[in-house]
Amino acid sequence: DGGITQSPKYLFRKEGQNVTLSCEQNLNHDAMYWYRQDPGQGLRLIYYSQIVNDFQKGDIAEGYSVSREKKESFPLTVTSAQKNPTAFYLCASQMGEGYEQYFGPGTRLTVT
Amino acid sequence: RKEVEQDPGPFNVPEGATVAFNCTYSNSASQSFFWYRQDCRKEPKLLMSVYSSGNEDGRFTAQLNRASQYISLLIRDSKLSDSATYLCVVNLYNFNKFYFGSGTKLNVKP
Repeated sequence: DGGITQSPKYLFRKEGQNVTLSCEQNLNHDAMYWYRQDPGQGLRLIYYSQIVNDFQKGDIAEGYSVSREKKESFPLTVTSAQKNPTAFYLCASQMGEGYEQYFGPGTRLTVT
Repeated sequence: RKEVEQDPGPFNVPEGATVAFNCTYSNSASQSFFWYRQDCRKEPKLLMSVYSSGNEDGRFTAQLNRASQYISLLIRDSKLSDSATYLCVVNLYNFNKFYFGSGTKLNVKP
């Protein structure tokens, strides 16, 4: 079964703690993305990676970090520097420029 | 100005009705266009790509008007299962230029 997996589905953390969200794909896609969605709002781009060992900041990268050591994996770390981390985090992958993006099931992060 | 704008709705329609959504985009250099469907608390799923000549997939028809910079989605014979939020997406053929609208909510009532 080809697709994108994200874990965990729900995550609860205390303020001041870093947390890492997992994203894995077996679609053989080069490009991967992290988005954040807040209630009633569109998706906002956090980071993206066009190829292994390379990634770029999106529109709201502050307080987040990523790595892309393998084609299949693009983990996102939400650091304590992120002021409002509670949100729905979506990972996506894309075959190439101009193609559609496919999404994982998302991780709902709550920080108290 | 937002890259992609949609009427948030909700559109409340009876089963069997025909409903249409529009979406406008601001950048005339936009190259590819999509409609996604998002159920409550779930991830967006691709509904259909939108081609210049317009395209149809069963009860769904998508149109692109480059001159006026809008895309549309028409749903015929609405089903209860069509209830969801529909996201308009525009891409500038650049990896970081994939813009999502905030979505239009559709409620199909029995």
